[in-house]
Amino acid sequence: NAGVTQTPKFQVLKTGQSMTLQCAQDMNHNSMYWYRQDPGMGLRLIYYSASEGTTDKGEVPNGYNVSRLNKREFSLRLESAAPSQTSVYFCASSALPGPGNTIYFGEGSWLTVV
Amino acid sequence: EDQVTQSPEALRLQEGESSSLNCSYTVSGLRGLFWYRQDPGKGPEFLFTLYSAGEEKEKERLKATLTKKESFLHITAPKPEDSATYLCAASKGGATNKLIFGTGTLLAVQP
Repeated sequence: NAGVTQTPKFQVLKTGQSMTLQCAQDMNHNSMYWYRQDPGMGLRLIYYSASEGTTDKGEVPNGYNVSRLNKREFSLRLESAAPSQTSVYFCASSALPGPGNTIYFGEGSWLTVV
Repeated sequence: EDQVTQSPEALRLQEGESSSLNCSYTVSGLRGLFWYRQDPGKGPEFLFTLYSAGEEKEKERLKATLTKKESFLHITAPKPEDSATYLCAASKGGATNKLIFGTGTLLAVQP
């Protein structure tokens, strides 16, 4: 019953450092997503992968890259972290890519860039 | 512009005091209206999906309803364990599954 698993849970980075957030789902879902959540703002989509082998930009992709490693895993990379990327990051998945399909979220990764 | 607005921002209830949370949306070609519950330090937990105006869904003390402009989450006789942030999100028409989220309603139920 793991669902969507993210690592690490917490991370502190210095400005300019790079890091990768890892995500895996065990629900055999086709589509995966990365969102960020900031105070006073709704969850915003960074990147998504409709199916294995494809990735597309969401609403706020600048400063991020993603890799769909296989059907289970979808990673988010910050190449040169900036304080504006301090946020809570959520990985999510859905069975199918089409609109209206339920999206299930992981527990979140808290990232602070100093 | 596609937008989802939730009200109130925060709500404090006494245990057993029923109330409703509102989610207003302006989204072209709505393909689904989602409700999630989020506890502090956790990810959003799926509650309901509503697909068409007039649809209702229930789970324990929660009932979600949908009209052409808004959705309501009714909480009947709430308990302290219902305290959480409730998020509303709209899925718009198109080729991909992109949710537009509201900023949430923080519900506190006092014993």
